[in-house]
Amino acid sequence: GQNIDQPTEMTATEGAIVQINCTYQTSGFNGLFWYQQHAGEAPTFLSYNVLDGLEEKGRFSSFLSRSKGYSYLLLKELQMKDSASYLCAVRPLSGGYNKLIFGAGTRLAVHP
Amino acid sequence: DTGVSQDPRHKITKRGQNVTFRCDPISEHNRLYWYRQTLGQGPEFLTYFQNEAQLEKSRLLSDRFSAERPKGSFSTLEIQRTEQGDSAMYLCASRHKGLAETDTQYFGPGTRLTVL
Repeated sequence: GQNIDQPTEMTATEGAIVQINCTYQTSGFNGLFWYQQHAGEAPTFLSYNVLDGLEEKGRFSSFLSRSKGYSYLLLKELQMKDSASYLCAVRPLSGGYNKLIFGAGTRLAVHP
Repeated sequence: DTGVSQDPRHKITKRGQNVTFRCDPISEHNRLYWYRQTLGQGPEFLTYFQNEAQLEKSRLLSDRFSAERPKGSFSTLEIQRTEQGDSAMYLCASRHKGLAETDTQYFGPGTRLTVL
């Protein structure tokens, strides 16, 4: 089966750092994605990990440990506009990149 | 704007009616995906096209649902005899025709369906 777990909600202060965790169990693994989704809008791509380690992109970083089935998204220097849902998605091994399996998302609220 | 577009953005219908949604992918993206998203959940995969061929369908796609991509460009998703449980956001995504595993899916703004 496939299972992806993320915290439902998180709150943080403007200017701070927040870490959003994601654990997964899938039938094969072929990459992990993080997407940002503002209310009522489409998900937008943030990051991709397929090998263990940290990928950094400006204020956002994503980490992967395949042996632990674990990833996190790190957001630094938080801004009010970072208030959104953050979706963790895994690409299963089967099917040749045909789909993504999403978690339910983590709603992040950034307050002044 | 050269992103993924979807039409309509909102659709309200009565139970039992048929509805059809359209998705126009990013040009030169030969891979197209349909997802469904309900409130508080992540998108759930429905179906996948490579060019005009429908290569994968989820078990979520009951026989009331049909998707087409006749010329390998735009796609349509039809729901027949709609039920209240079909109320959701229907998202379309496209992906480049290259084989790089880093190629990601780009999502459209979605069609929000409300079945009364």
